[in-house]
Amino acid sequence: SQQGEEDPQALSIQEGENATMNCSYKTSINNLQWYRQNSGRGLVHLILIRSNEREKHSGRLRVTLDTSKKSSSLLITASRAADTASYFCAGSNDYKLSFGAGTTVTVRA
Amino acid sequence: GAVVSQHPSWVICKSGTSVKIECRSLDFQATTMFWYRQFPKQSLMLMATSNEGSKATYEQGVEKDKFLINHASLTLSTLTVTSAHPEDSSFYICSARTRQMTKLFFGSGTQLSVL
Repeated sequence: SQQGEEDPQALSIQEGENATMNCSYKTSINNLQWYRQNSGRGLVHLILIRSNEREKHSGRLRVTLDTSKKSSSLLITASRAADTASYFCAGSNDYKLSFGAGTTVTVRA
Repeated sequence: GAVVSQHPSWVICKSGTSVKIECRSLDFQATTMFWYRQFPKQSLMLMATSNEGSKATYEQGVEKDKFLINHASLTLSTLTVTSAHPEDSSFYICSARTRQMTKLFFGSGTQLSVL
């Protein structure tokens, strides 16, 4: 079943700007993961944050997790045209992932 | 990183025929494989979880006899859409992991169009 909801559903930004998207989930999780999907393709894992972590960085990605609010955010800094894709959060309980609805990001050159 | 190969990338079939989709882990042994279905501009809906050597566990509302899943080896799982109908047209994606992995590795997906 679908775990969470993401907001916004769609985001259009200029190259070089930052993109922020949020995700809320419903049940308890062991970790929360963010994935990226280019149109018509499979998903690629971006970053994982454990339930006892509050913030994590990886390159131009910054993820936060607030377990009290059951929410997470993904920030992509200095966006590039190649960042255009759909981004999904997924809450993990044991081994099963439940995906959010996704945010479609369009980066204009 | 680990590679998961999914084949075919797209398939068009006539209503009433069966279609088999393969998902292979190329450089690791996948103890668990997952099958998802995705409609345009929507999220991934988990259809079933497949553990090597055992029967697949289907999510509520997914017909077992309609979507046959076989995970006969540690590197191969197949999804067969039996007696396909136009409403089965969708994007199907597999993913795989080992017991030690916390993240999933995805195939590139299969676009199924049933005429």
